[in-house]
Amino acid sequence: DAGITQSPRHKVTETGTPVTLRCHQTENHRYMYWYRQDPGHGLRLIHYSYGVKDTDKGEVSDGYSVSRSKTEDFLLTLESATSSQTSVYFCATGGDRGGNQPQHFGDGTRLSIL
Amino acid sequence: DAKTTQPNSMESNEEEPVHLPCNHSTISGTDYIHWYRQLPSQGPEYVIHGLTSNVNNRMASLAIAEDRKSSTLILHRATLRDAAVYYCILRTTGNQFYFGTGTSLTVIP
Repeated sequence: DAGITQSPRHKVTETGTPVTLRCHQTENHRYMYWYRQDPGHGLRLIHYSYGVKDTDKGEVSDGYSVSRSKTEDFLLTLESATSSQTSVYFCATGGDRGGNQPQHFGDGTRLSIL
Repeated sequence: DAKTTQPNSMESNEEEPVHLPCNHSTISGTDYIHWYRQLPSQGPEYVIHGLTSNVNNRMASLAIAEDRKSSTLILHRATLRDAAVYYCILRTTGNQFYFGTGTSLTVIP
């Protein structure tokens, strides 16, 4: 596997609280991604990073922010969590921009907002 | 958006070949076709990818139509461990993957 660790693996919190999810990789991949997966929607891209301090929005970025201060770490923050953000969150890494490299996924974080 | 269309579910008998179809009529010339699969409670796992030519690896084969508007993932001998949701994805140069809801494959012993 590509050495991707997500933490925490499970979290339950209350509406309005801040939440930070961490993704750590050991492969030195340039690109990192955050997805959420909900029933009936497959995986949807939230934000991605193409280098240290370089990030961009994905399909469903509202309510989320990200930061990447080191190549190996990509953080996803919910500034004020809402129940609609209850989901399974996956981090992925990839080596290039042009599409000729696969993405590697972590095992996911199950987040419940009560 | 670069989107794909797959059947919601398919069944296969164990040890028989499985052909999982995917339509991607909006594909552009630089889009790669990627396949991933996801087992319950796990992240997606890379299976195979290609651009124009058919591709083979230890897990599967990918057959790409000549006009590139469709492709087929071929599992040569299905095992119970191949039961998963299979996603066909276009990987664009815009650096985004668009996952649909995939095909849920059931393998019958």
